[in-house]
Amino acid sequence: KNEVEQSPQNLTAQEGEFITINCSYSVGISALHWLQQHPGGGIVSLFMLSSGKKKHGRLIATINIQEKHSSLHITASHPRDSAVYICAVEKGQGAQKLVFGQGTRLTINP
Amino acid sequence: EAQVTQNPRYLITVTGKKLTVTCSQNMNHEYMSWYRQDPGLGLRQIYYSMNVEVTDKGDVPEGYKVSRKEKRNFPLILESPSPNQTSLYFCASSLSSLLAGDYNEQFFGPGTRLTVL
Repeated sequence: KNEVEQSPQNLTAQEGEFITINCSYSVGISALHWLQQHPGGGIVSLFMLSSGKKKHGRLIATINIQEKHSSLHITASHPRDSAVYICAVEKGQGAQKLVFGQGTRLTINP
Repeated sequence: EAQVTQNPRYLITVTGKKLTVTCSQNMNHEYMSWYRQDPGLGLRQIYYSMNVEVTDKGDVPEGYKVSRKEKRNFPLILESPSPNQTSLYFCASSLSSLLAGDYNEQFFGPGTRLTVL
């Protein structure tokens, strides 16, 4: 079983819909990252969380350490949000050992 | 402009021919890592480095070598490439967790698509 599991694997929605992507992990972590991989392949960092909730524009990320679960929400989704969203956990304090989920492919139709 | 550069971006080679993929960052980051991305397997960490002359294995280090002689550079070396190393490779850098505090953004290079025949 993978140490980091994402759901769903694929998600198709209409423009304007509220999107939720989930990430569950089974190991002790010092932080959790959400990444976005564009259709062209480039990867950008969206959030790093060690507790609570963070918001950036239309994106919101939450983490529940006790339940070992994180969610990424997108409000008022737009076709430009179409990408693969990847959850990664940082194992070990300051070690930068990252373990990745399989990714969620999001398609937003106009 | 803050960036991580990788070269080459695309490479087709043959089994056994040594190759090096370079990675350089201009942000004075302590941490650098190499990942490979394969369909169905996602991203996996090959090696990481916490500072100059400090490197450690990730989850899939077999068949790879790295070195960190300067802070800005972290080359990935394939001494004897094999077809199972055909993959998309990413280099990334970030500040150390102690310096970054609450938000430690990972900066990724553009990727190197390697094909080993």
